[in-house]
Amino acid sequence: KQEVTQIPAALSVPEGENLVLNCSFTDSAIYNLQWFRQDPGKGLTSLLLIQSSQREQTSGRLNASLDKSSGRSTLYIAASQPGDSATYLCAVRLETSYDKVIFGPGTSLSVIP
Amino acid sequence: DVKVTQSSRYLVKRTGEKVFLECVQDMDHENMFWYRQDPGLGLRLIYFSYDVKMKEKGDIPEGYSVSREKKERFSLILESASTNQTSMYLCASSLLQAPNEKLFFGSGTQLSVL
Repeated sequence: KQEVTQIPAALSVPEGENLVLNCSFTDSAIYNLQWFRQDPGKGLTSLLLIQSSQREQTSGRLNASLDKSSGRSTLYIAASQPGDSATYLCAVRLETSYDKVIFGPGTSLSVIP
Repeated sequence: DVKVTQSSRYLVKRTGEKVFLECVQDMDHENMFWYRQDPGLGLRLIYFSYDVKMKEKGDIPEGYSVSREKKERFSLILESASTNQTSMYLCASSLLQAPNEKLFFGSGTQLSVL
């Protein structure tokens, strides 16, 4: 059974710092991995999607990497801003059931001005 | 811009009431999903649908049913609401035959059952 974990559960950093969020999954048979952002009381906003054949994706200050064989992904946020404060979730889409997505528990990020 | 719209941001219902949560997407997506999100438990899949009138149970379907009469609309029904169904409900959609396509979410419905 696929399990997705995220470390750390919570992170607090001063503004301007670069940071890395981690996501691990137990079964490497995935189609893709997606990173989401969730603001309190709101829905999820897609940030980046990495296909299983890719190693990384970039969007602005965000860079996501994928090491499928080791079951790991990282989300790198450069020059963090207070507006980056949110919960970040990763999710994997399974090969065995391509319409099923398994979510991690999320990392709660606070960027202190 | 792509859009998944959930009809209510907040709902307060009484125990035993029948509750309808509506979700509409404008992206012509085949797949639609209903999740609930609870502190400490994360997102859990209730039901999903890959076509009109088709539905599949997710991980926690008990106490819920769904309806997909049109491609763009997916409804979640609580036949007799109970307090343990107080939660944030999230609707999502994606393309069917494109496993590398993104999953898009609505803004969520916070349901309180009193």
